[in-house]
Amino acid sequence: ETGVTQTPRHLVMGMTNKKSLKCEQHLGHNAMYWYKQSAKKPLELMFVYNFKEQTENNSVPSRFSPECPNSSHLFLHLHTLQPEDSALYLCASSHRLGRSTDTQYFGPGTRLTVL
Amino acid sequence: AQTVTQSQPEMSVQEAETVTLSCTYDTSESDYYLFWYKQPPSRQMILVIRQEAYKQQNATENRFSVNFQKAAKSFSLKISDSQLGDAAMYFCALYINAGNNRKLIWGLGTSLAVNP
Repeated sequence: ETGVTQTPRHLVMGMTNKKSLKCEQHLGHNAMYWYKQSAKKPLELMFVYNFKEQTENNSVPSRFSPECPNSSHLFLHLHTLQPEDSALYLCASSHRLGRSTDTQYFGPGTRLTVL
Repeated sequence: AQTVTQSQPEMSVQEAETVTLSCTYDTSESDYYLFWYKQPPSRQMILVIRQEAYKQQNATENRFSVNFQKAAKSFSLKISDSQLGDAAMYFCALYINAGNNRKLIWGLGTSLAVNP
């Protein structure tokens, strides 16, 4: 379970705050993903990076800003969030996007509460 | 559009018994993969089992096996000899390996309780 780590595990923030979520993978993968997990909804893919290049932005509001400085690290910068953004944010990694045998490995998630 | 449906929001099983979780999907693509992931309470999502659509043989991983019915677009998960540690949310997911829309499509999940 330590292949993909996420910090912090829990975060409470006000709507005017700026915070960042961090993800690190120790698996030698080249693709990284941000997902939002809310109750009663399927996992929502937010962003995808492949070899540090963003390949997908699933119509995510601009108050979420991803950053991928290298293949091992992924950040999600948060600002002026809304209460409905409260959710579990999951990071995942895989060998590389589009590889037919790819499997995604997940981190433990950051439980975000927006007050 | 691709969809994944898990029709059982909650299920329970007695320890040491067998349980089957259902999943149906819809896609017009021929090259795809199906996954079952497990998310224990407050713990990481982990891969349970994976099935390539082109393989007729059902995948198995120890006590976990699938019943893949391609024509019916059904992909159920069977857990044999259930253990307390199997209690978790189980997600079925579909990966389309075609075009520019390669991503996992997830079901809503089935919460499995294991009774001692």
